[in-house]
Amino acid sequence: DGGITQSPKYLFRKEGQNVTLSCEQNLNHDAMYWYRQDPGQGLRLIYYSQIVNDFQKGDIAEGYSVSREKKESFPLTVTSAQKNPTAFYLCASSIKGQGNEKLFFGSGTQLSVL
Amino acid sequence: GESVGLHLPTLSVQEGDNSIINCAYSNSASDYFIWYKQESGKGPQFIIDIRSNMDKRQGQRVTVLLNKTVKHLSLQIAATQPGDSAVYFCAENVINTGTASKLTFGTGTRLQVTL
Repeated sequence: DGGITQSPKYLFRKEGQNVTLSCEQNLNHDAMYWYRQDPGQGLRLIYYSQIVNDFQKGDIAEGYSVSREKKESFPLTVTSAQKNPTAFYLCASSIKGQGNEKLFFGSGTQLSVL
Repeated sequence: GESVGLHLPTLSVQEGDNSIINCAYSNSASDYFIWYKQESGKGPQFIIDIRSNMDKRQGQRVTVLLNKTVKHLSLQIAATQPGDSAVYFCAENVINTGTASKLTFGTGTRLQVTL
């Protein structure tokens, strides 16, 4: 089955710790995205990538980092600089990253602070 | 995931009735719109999309209406079923070939289907 796989489903972070969220897709999509979702709010864009080895900041990139070494993979690191990391994190992909494309989402990772 | 949806506007509909979920968008330059459905603890699922050169588009049991004059989008679900219970998001974007799809999402509406 083609799709987007996020892992883990639940993740806990200690103070001062960096954690990495995994996102893998086998849809052969060029573009990948990371969104953050907080209760009562819409999805907010953290980072996006249209091509391997290139990525751009979204609206709330501070405290996060990404890499795109392979087309299939777009991991997100939540660094200790992100002071309010508790949220539901969603990875998505689209065919080319054009403005008229729908995004396909993974099932999300819930990150909580211990 | 489980906490998504707190403090959201809620629409309660009886099973079998039609549902109408509304969305106001802010960017008058937006020319592509999508509706997503999100069940608790899961990622959003695509329902239907529409471009600004249309004012209506129909899918299976769903219809999206676009009123560009007042920047309003609605999702109509016919014969609502218990499986339709979820949070529904509208999203808007400006079609601009060569740039990444940077959808802007609304805050969502929770649809509760009562038996």
